[in-house]
Amino acid sequence: AQSVTQLDSQVPVFEEAPVELRCNYSSSVSVYLFWYVQYPNQGLQLLLKYLSGSTLVKGINGFEAEFNKSQTSFHLRKPSVHISDTAEYFCAVSEHGNQFYFGTGTSLTVIP
Amino acid sequence: GAVVSQHPSWVICKSGTSVKIECRSLDFQATTMFWYRQFPKQSLMLMATSNEGSKATYEQGVEKDKFLINHASLTLSTLTVTSAHPEDSSFYICSAREGIDEQFFGPGTRLTVL
Repeated sequence: AQSVTQLDSQVPVFEEAPVELRCNYSSSVSVYLFWYVQYPNQGLQLLLKYLSGSTLVKGINGFEAEFNKSQTSFHLRKPSVHISDTAEYFCAVSEHGNQFYFGTGTSLTVIP
Repeated sequence: GAVVSQHPSWVICKSGTSVKIECRSLDFQATTMFWYRQFPKQSLMLMATSNEGSKATYEQGVEKDKFLINHASLTLSTLTVTSAHPEDSSFYICSAREGIDEQFFGPGTRLTVL
């Protein structure tokens, strides 16, 4: 079975600073990897996904993530954050679009 | 991208009543839909997988008689919380699968049981 670990439950960062949100997963098969953002009282919005091919994936709002198979990681990065990036971020793993397993989430707070 | 809607977005009900939540795929046909539950400050927990025209598959620990799921068409799945109690208060999110790659999530329904 798959599992997802987001080590950082809360990440405060100053505006315009870079940020990295960590995600590690465990799986016995090849998987698809996703990052979602959730604003208060809203559903999930897809930031980016890795299905195959290039390990560096670029998403919306200036985010990118790198798939590292040897370290079973899929860390999310942004070189310069904005106030509007304050939200909850979830990493998820799926076995080819079937059941999704979500991490516990990372609350990103951008400080002016 | 594909759009999934949920209705209502927020519902308040009295304890003991039943509440129905609708999940619709607006611009694609979804053979499979998923229902998740999210407690405050926590991650999403899969409740059940719903396939069009067949019975839903419930995750361990989820009461199928309490959370009734119907997937009567390729664009609509419903979740009915029967005899709701305050502990059922939560954020319910559905998703729909297009193709084989990913799921598209609805905006969620906040249920408050008084």
